[in-house]
Amino acid sequence: DVKVTQSSRYLVKRTGEKVFLECVQDMDHENMFWYRQDPGLGLRLIYFSYDVKMKEKGDIPEGYSVSREKKERFSLILESASTNQTSMYLCASGNSGGSYNEQFFGPGTRLTVL
Amino acid sequence: AQSVAQPEDQVNVAEGNPLTVKCTYSVSGNPYLFWYVQYPNRGLQFLLKYITGDNLVKGSYGFEAEFNKSQTSFHLKKPSALVSDSALYFCAVRGLTQSKLTFGTGTRLQVTL
Repeated sequence: DVKVTQSSRYLVKRTGEKVFLECVQDMDHENMFWYRQDPGLGLRLIYFSYDVKMKEKGDIPEGYSVSREKKERFSLILESASTNQTSMYLCASGNSGGSYNEQFFGPGTRLTVL
Repeated sequence: AQSVAQPEDQVNVAEGNPLTVKCTYSVSGNPYLFWYVQYPNRGLQFLLKYITGDNLVKGSYGFEAEFNKSQTSFHLKKPSALVSDSALYFCAVRGLTQSKLTFGTGTRLQVTL
């Protein structure tokens, strides 16, 4: 089974803090994704990566950055957390080779910014 | 641009009855369509996908979905609902030339005894 793990299930931070969310996958997938999930808005793509050291902006990249130094690890960084970044963050991974490949999701990190 | 609409925020069904969760999409060219399920405090799990071929796609846990090109729909169905099917369901679409998956806003399925 594909396993995607996220460093924390719950996280509480203060406004202005730098926040790191880490994601690790064990299936040698080329593609990795960060989404945020908010009620009534569904999942929105923040950033994605097709290869090591490669990143592309998703639909809502403002206020976020990412890092992919190793194939299995994809980090989401909030440079200066704000209250409107309180959300559920989901990491996913998937094979390349076609648009038809499904994504595999981690359990999520519920981030609260006070 | 591609988009997905899930017109119902919540669907209520009695156990044993058939269920349908609706999804319509908009995409240039042929679509790749997916259904995912999210149980409480969990990540999303893949249920099924339509790529090409037979319009009726069968997936996990007895779910199936019907692709209708003329109505641009991909409704999720199950002949007999279980209380354990209660969860949040997401439809997603990806166009052939698109690099991103676009998700709907989700439909909460509540199955009661």
